[in-house]
Amino acid sequence: GAVVSQHPSRVICKSGTSVKIECRSLDFQATTMFWYRQFPKQSLMLMATSNEGSKATYEQGVEKDKFLINHASLTLSTLTVTSAHPEDSSFYICSAPGRGWADTQYFGPGTRLTVL
Amino acid sequence: ILNVEQSPQSLHVQEGDSTNFTCSFPSSNFYALHWYRWETAKSPEALFVMTLNGDEKKKGRISATLNTKEGYSYLYIKGSQPEDSATYLCAFIGNTGKLIFGQGTTLQVKP
Repeated sequence: GAVVSQHPSRVICKSGTSVKIECRSLDFQATTMFWYRQFPKQSLMLMATSNEGSKATYEQGVEKDKFLINHASLTLSTLTVTSAHPEDSSFYICSAPGRGWADTQYFGPGTRLTVL
Repeated sequence: ILNVEQSPQSLHVQEGDSTNFTCSFPSSNFYALHWYRWETAKSPEALFVMTLNGDEKKKGRISATLNTKEGYSYLYIKGSQPEDSATYLCAFIGNTGKLIFGQGTTLQVKP
């Protein structure tokens, strides 16, 4: 099956620093990738849709200037959490769809971000 | 606000027991329902993509049913094994094309 990698798996940073998370489709091309966030005991919540070669679309309530998304190639999308604060501490996970937008999603293993 | 609910939140069973979980979702603007299996420290793995009312799908000892008119799906595991221990997620897709996840059901199978 299709494989999506995500790096880093865990990051601890100081408040005010920026953190970049990479999401790669290893054996297929992904013109679209999705970024989710999960707070403790809550469900995965869609943050934004990353589109190769164009601007990402953000869900309501997600600050686009804080969560910068770049999808510069068909196999790589990055999420940068700028000027991270403790409330940004969360689990971030990406996915890429199969053949169609409602088809199986292939997920990365996720990134645990802790902001001190 | 679209709401997807899963129950129970967690479940502990003995090896060999059969079990089932529920996913409730909006009954309007339905397009598809996904089930995923998520083991700790791994990527969520797709189990089923269900699109038609009345769908029944099976993969080994795991099966799922779908009722779009009343807005629920059941996931069944027959003869649970310790390796079935994981969190099972369902996700509703409506006409927006976005996945809306439930909180998941965490299954622990004791040997």
